Amino acid sequence: QKEVEQDPGPLSVPEGAIVSLNCTYSNSAFQYFMWYRQYSRKGPELLMYTYSSGNKEDGRFTAQVDKSSKYISLFIRDSQPSDSATYLCAMSAMNTDKLIFGTGTRLQVFP
Amino acid sequence: NAGVTQTPKFQVLKTGQSMTLQCAQDMNHEYMSWYRQDPGMGLRLIHYSVGAGITDQGEVPNGYNVSRSTTEDFPLRLLSAAPSQTSVYFCATKPVGVFSGANVLTFGAGSRLTVL
Repeated sequence: QKEVEQDPGPLSVPEGAIVSLNCTYSNSAFQYFMWYRQYSRKGPELLMYTYSSGNKEDGRFTAQVDKSSKYISLFIRDSQPSDSATYLCAMSAMNTDKLIFGTGTRLQVFP
Repeated sequence: NAGVTQTPKFQVLKTGQSMTLQCAQDMNHEYMSWYRQDPGMGLRLIHYSVGAGITDQGEVPNGYNVSRSTTEDFPLRLLSAAPSQTSVYFCATKPVGVFSGANVLTFGAGSRLTVL
């Protein structure tokens, strides 16, 4: 079983939809949770970062962490065609350089 | 300020050939790393370094060699290329220190390697 599980998609939604992207994990030591966005043929770039449980909002994006369920989510409101990309979750424990990535979910937002 | 620069962007090799993927950064980050990205496998760590003269193995180090003689550069060497090394390779860096636990990496644009 992988430490981090993520549905590969693709997820196809119309412009303006609310998108929910999710990851589950098995290691209860994970404390840092990140979402990276990767456009086609580009490197991943950090989108959101949260520490421990709770929500974090940045514009149209909300990151949510539920440590009791070992479940993290990224919500995108009012999705745009420019949001079409692969979204990778990533997480790590305290005091370690080791970062574990999900396999990524490909999102397509059509006009 | 270029960030993380990877060269070459594309490369085709024959089985058994050797080559070096270059990674250079201008952010004065102590930590540098190499990942490979394969469909359905996600990003997997090959090797990493926490400073000049210090390197360590990641999850999939076999067939790859690294060295770190300067803060800025972290080349990845393929000793004898195999078709299983066909992949997209990313160099990623971060500062080491107070926020090191967050592991917020800055990635290069990637090097796409095909081994025939």
